Amino acid sequence: GENVEQHPSTLSVQEGDSAVIKCTYSDSASNYFPWYKQELGKRPQLIIDIRSNVGEKKDQRIAVTLNKTAKHFSLHITETQPEDSAVYFCASLRAGRRALTFGSGTRLQVQP
Amino acid sequence: GAVVSQHPSWVICKSGTSVKIECRSLDFQATTMFWYRQFPKQSLMLMATSNEGSKATYEQGVEKDKFLINHASLTLSTLTVTSAHPEDSSFYICSATRTGDTGELFFGEGSRLTVL
Repeated sequence: GENVEQHPSTLSVQEGDSAVIKCTYSDSASNYFPWYKQELGKRPQLIIDIRSNVGEKKDQRIAVTLNKTAKHFSLHITETQPEDSAVYFCASLRAGRRALTFGSGTRLQVQP
Repeated sequence: GAVVSQHPSWVICKSGTSVKIECRSLDFQATTMFWYRQFPKQSLMLMATSNEGSKATYEQGVEKDKFLINHASLTLSTLTVTSAHPEDSSFYICSATRTGDTGELFFGEGSRLTVL
């Protein structure tokens, strides 16, 4: 089945710096790649997603890039703020399936 | 947006008892709902896919007789943890996609189960 690897597991940055989280997927048939932010004890919230027909998508301070050849995608957060501190999960969806496969998560800590 | 509501948000029960968790899509119809389990500081692990009007599809290693799933309508799926044991203590989260959509999941608030 699909396997998604996520790195790093923890990331600490200074406020205002950029943060990059990377994921690699195994199934070349995957075609949808969302990123979720989860604060402690709360539900995951979709922050950005990308489909396999584009290479990059940006929404204000957040961007996602996709390299289909290498089968990896990355989340980029610029001008980080303390409220960006949370656990971030990448995920992938294989064409023909409806259930997402999640990465292991990255705990981002933005130091004021 | 699409709203998914999950109840209860937390529950404490004695070992050997059963607990039912409800997941409702409030403003859309969900032919398919998904149940995930999340242990502390770990990722979301898919337990089963709940299909309206038919049997749920369980992931490998998930006991279907222990985790009973019922999806009787297009807006409600329930997960019953039967004969709960302390190792079943976890954060259970349901999610749903809108019928016709492919991809975006809308999550319930999650239910934290503690089995004493």
